[in-house]
Amino acid sequence: DGGITQSPKYLFRKEGQNVTLSCEQNLNHDAMYWYRQDPGQGLRLIYYSQIVNDFQKGDIAEGYSVSREKKESFPLTVTSAQKNPTAFYLCATRQGVGEQFFGPGTRLTVL
Amino acid sequence: AQSVAQPEDQVNVAEGNPLTVKCTYSVSGNPYLFWYVQYPNRGLQFLLKYITGDNLVKGSYGFEAEFNKSQTSFHLKKPSALVSDSALYFCAVRAYSGGYQKVTFGTGTKLQVIP
Repeated sequence: DGGITQSPKYLFRKEGQNVTLSCEQNLNHDAMYWYRQDPGQGLRLIYYSQIVNDFQKGDIAEGYSVSREKKESFPLTVTSAQKNPTAFYLCATRQGVGEQFFGPGTRLTVL
Repeated sequence: AQSVAQPEDQVNVAEGNPLTVKCTYSVSGNPYLFWYVQYPNRGLQFLLKYITGDNLVKGSYGFEAEFNKSQTSFHLKKPSALVSDSALYFCAVRAYSGGYQKVTFGTGTKLQVIP
């Protein structure tokens, strides 16, 4: 998990609220990713960014939004349009052709 | 379409016995293949990767994997399992799709090493 911080570790959301998950990295990596993990479904890509001020939708982007104003930061907002947001959210980075590095995750629960 | 299959939801093995966790993939073009491990409520940790070169890849904690192009497989192996190897293992493939590098993860295999 070193080099990538995600906060908070646990987050609770009421119906109709937007919440923002933080992801910060000090690895100086260009690419950053957000994944959602549900039991038995592996990791599903929400958004990714290959460079500052640019990002692309992944497979399940509906109800989520991101920004990439700084190289080290890639916050994810879960909007009220996301109907089933309870899940474990993972942020990752990558440089070049190598492997991804993952943060420790944020567990989001809808009350 | 790019895909990864991990056919076993769970693998049980006795401590000290060899272990294998299976992974097959489907991509167009040359794949980059990865194995990651996840402990409960933690992020994924990188184990090993195949980019090019030798088909047998050695990684962290005594794990290895063999890239088999004809069978499109990248099975994870370890000669002697430890109880501490019990975790969730993910196979991933990265390849060019629509002009960018797309990463696809398998659904994961839970490894249970029995003392």
